[in-house]
Amino acid sequence: EDQVTQSPEALRLQEGESSSLNCSYTVSGLRGLFWYRQDPGKGPEFLFTLYSAGEEKEKERLKATLTKKESFLHITAPKPEDSATYLCAVQAGGGNQGGKLIFGQGTELSVKP
Amino acid sequence: KAGVTQTPRYLIKTRGQQVTLSCSPISGHRSVSWYQQTPGQGLQFLFEYFSETQRNKGNFPGRFSGRQFSNSRSEMNVSTLELGDSALYLCASRRPTGNTGELFFGEGSRLTVL
Repeated sequence: EDQVTQSPEALRLQEGESSSLNCSYTVSGLRGLFWYRQDPGKGPEFLFTLYSAGEEKEKERLKATLTKKESFLHITAPKPEDSATYLCAVQAGGGNQGGKLIFGQGTELSVKP
Repeated sequence: KAGVTQTPRYLIKTRGQQVTLSCSPISGHRSVSWYQQTPGQGLQFLFEYFSETQRNKGNFPGRFSGRQFSNSRSEMNVSTLELGDSALYLCASRRPTGNTGELFFGEGSRLTVL
C-alpha cells in the first residue's frame, strides 16, 4: 500500500535556528514527490517537485532533497513567516495519476522571534 | 489571474441531509481534483475530473459523488451526511499540459455535520 509518513508532527524553532523535516514514503513506482505549505484557514500552496533520487530544489530559505526512500525539507535560518504546516505528497505510477496525490500528515512548524 | 474559487466557504448541516459544494478552477485549467482534509486522516483524495469525465477515484463510499461541467467548473455532492463527514473539502486544479502533480488549491469549504 502506498504510504507517506512525515516527522516530526510538530517542530518549534527559534528564528535563525536551521532544521530539517522528514518525509518517508513507500510507493509503487514513484512519479513525483511534492512539497506543499499550508497556512491556517488556507488551501495548500505548492513549493517543490522532485522526480528522482539525488535531485534538489531550492527556494529562498527552503531546500528539498530526495533519496530512494525519503525526502527532506531543509529550512535555513527560518523567520516567523515560515511558520506553517508543511505537507509532503507522492504521485504513484500507473496510468494518469495527475491529480491523485497521497499526502502525509504534515509537520506543523512554528518559528518564534 | 483569479485562483481556484470554492463556495460556500462554511456550511452546517444535520445528519441525513445532503450537500453540494462548488469549485471554479483557474481559467484554462481543465482538471479538477477534490480532497477531504480532517485532523485525523489528513488530506485524502476523493476524485479527479478532466473534460467532464471522472479520471480517478479515491477510496470513499458511493455517497460521495462529483461532476464537471463543460466550462470545467466542478461540483461534489455528499448524500446522507454522517457526523464523520465533517471536514474541510478542498478543490484543486492543475495545468492542462503534462501529468504534473503541481496542484493549485482553493481555500476550501468547511462542512460541519451536527
